[in-house]
Amino acid sequence: EVQLVQSGAEVKKPGESLKISCKGSGYTFSFYWIAWVRQMPGKGLEWMGIIYPTDSDTRYSPSFRGQVTISADKSVRTAYLQWSSLKASDTAVYYCARRSADGNFFENWGQGTLVTVSS
Amino acid sequence: QTVVTQEPSFSVSPGGTVTLTCGLSSGSVSTSYYPSWYQQTPGQAPRTLIYSTNTRSSGVPDRFSGSILGNKAALTITGAQADDESDYYCVIYMGSGISLFGGGTKLTVL
Repeated sequence: EVQLVQSGAEVKKPGESLKISCKGSGYTFSFYWIAWVRQMPGKGLEWMGIIYPTDSDTRYSPSFRGQVTISADKSVRTAYLQWSSLKASDTAVYYCARRSADGNFFENWGQGTLVTVSS
Repeated sequence: QTVVTQEPSFSVSPGGTVTLTCGLSSGSVSTSYYPSWYQQTPGQAPRTLIYSTNTRSSGVPDRFSGSILGNKAALTITGAQADDESDYYCVIYMGSGISLFGGGTKLTVL
């Protein structure tokens, strides 16, 4: 069974750094793209970017490029989303999702990680 | 910048049929964009319903169907049930690994 298990909820202050994770199991982690999706409180889903763990080829939405960093460590089957300096507007639930083998839809989802940024 | 458009809200009576649509701010949605649909209830992760325009994901009831209607992708729910009350999102694959979400449609069943 394919599973994506995300790290737990975080509460941070503005200006702090953060790295959240998404661990895959039940499939060959290296061979499937992993996307990150943001959902701000009461709002819709937004595609942030995607990474291919085999070679760390990464694509970003223009809205998120430079604001976050997506990375992956195939040796531990884990993808990451990180911020160097959080803002209150980063408060959201973040989902990881595995893209299908043919690459055109999100086949499996993590449970989500709530990030709260507040002074 | 391309925007994916969805109706903000829709309502359907129990047992009724509803069609939600997914368009592009510039141009038409075709099968080449591999439209997919996701259902999300409050506090839950999205669930994949339909991919590649009209293929149901594993375990999705056949009352959910996908199609292209005119210049938009469409999700039709036939015989709506109370637990279909959810937010529905379409995703358009733009190529080069990039996907775009629509703003979502809040479906009420009453």
